[in-house]
Amino acid sequence: DTEVTQTPKHLVMGMTNKKSLKCEQHMGHRAMYWYKQKAKKPPELMFVYSYEKLSINESVPSRFSPECPNSSLLNLHLHALQPEDSALYLCASSQATTSYEQYFGPGTRLTVT
Amino acid sequence: GQNIDQPTEMTATEGAIVQINCTYQTSGFNGLFWYQQHAGEAPTFLSYNVLDGLEEKGRFSSFLSRSKGYSYLLLKELQMKDSASYLCAVRDYSNASKIIFGSGTRLSIQP
Repeated sequence: DTEVTQTPKHLVMGMTNKKSLKCEQHMGHRAMYWYKQKAKKPPELMFVYSYEKLSINESVPSRFSPECPNSSLLNLHLHALQPEDSALYLCASSQATTSYEQYFGPGTRLTVT
Repeated sequence: GQNIDQPTEMTATEGAIVQINCTYQTSGFNGLFWYQQHAGEAPTFLSYNVLDGLEEKGRFSSFLSRSKGYSYLLLKELQMKDSASYLCAVRDYSNASKIIFGSGTRLSIQP
């Protein structure tokens, strides 16, 4: 199984809502990532988890809160988002943070109204 | 800091060969990646180069010259399904956990 799954596929939320994005992998990977991708732009790294511990936070606003409950799951909790946060949110995983291949999930397309 | 340059758009013909160039300026070097991304889909890994030279994998090859800060992705026997964005990315020298993507090259294949 070389699949990273993400739910939901699409999410529309208001600026006062609280929602969560979920990511799951069963490849035994110990590194998991959140990226944000705007239209026609490359993915931008947000967070890196290594062995279920947060190892990189790329100065992401606190309205984005990551969580890694176990080695297979990665969540991104969203609260009080702004319209400019609308984007494709991609989850990825790799054997380790220094592995050369990251496997990406299909993403959650988020629209903030 | 890191800077990655690649052409914004390219067009090629079905059955032909196309080369997508990437130049990078980094404070150190720790590996270069190529990813393919179809519109609305997730990136998929194509290749990884850490030493100079050519890596071949089926119809796709990737070349690296560390002294020139230069890489290219070569696609042979182009198919319509190869229409996608191709992202050059480098691993951050000071933090190997971090991959920095270039803006990508949108490749359109014409019949």
